[in-house]
Amino acid sequence: DIVMTQSPDSLAVSLGERATINCKSSQTVLYSSNSQNCLAWYQQKPGQPPKLLIYGTSTRPSGVPDRFSGSGFGTHFTLTISSLQAEDVAVYFCQQYYTTPYTFGQGTKLEIK
Amino acid sequence: QVQLRESGPRLVKPSETLSLACTVSGGSMNFFYWHWIRQSPDTGLQWIGYVDSNGATNYNPSLKSRVTVSVDTSNNQFSLSLTSVTAADTAIYYCARGDPNTGSFYLCPFDIWSQGTMVAVSS
Repeated sequence: DIVMTQSPDSLAVSLGERATINCKSSQTVLYSSNSQNCLAWYQQKPGQPPKLLIYGTSTRPSGVPDRFSGSGFGTHFTLTISSLQAEDVAVYFCQQYYTTPYTFGQGTKLEIK
Repeated sequence: QVQLRESGPRLVKPSETLSLACTVSGGSMNFFYWHWIRQSPDTGLQWIGYVDSNGATNYNPSLKSRVTVSVDTSNNQFSLSLTSVTAADTAIYYCARGDPNTGSFYLCPFDIWSQGTMVAVSS
């Protein structure tokens, strides 16, 4: 199985400041047929299911604010929130869909400083 | 808009079978992948398996011997069966959709999730 490792486990950021979460995969998740990294980010608030934030490393689904961005390649990926809002308090997960079994990172808890 | 809702028992006895159904509303099941995922404090988020609209399946090897996922497109439902459960199977169970338009065939993220249902294994 591909192991997804996130850092840090928790993060406290002031409102309006930048938040950065890292994700490393134990092997490449680059799908050569379409040159797309099969890497997604999810946001989970208490009592809610995960919500898809980013896929293909950097593509935002419709309705996701543009303060959320993703970057990276191969085995190292980053989720950035450019200006933290109160509603962004949540746990964030990365996930690879390059191969089954699909696997998730352990999660990063984001709080307000 | 497409919504998913699980149904099934919230309490299952050890060694028995956990059975859940997921009803899809607001859209067609065709051309998508339909997944079961669970979440517990011990194991985090764990993908269980998927079925496509033609009935093809793919399971997590760690659960494969105990899992069956099936689809009934005429009733807009897909189902999970997990046999011989133990306390380790206690978790929140989600159903979710995979849209090939966001990836390539079954290599796609989970774009729509159900609210989740807590299933406890206990005598």
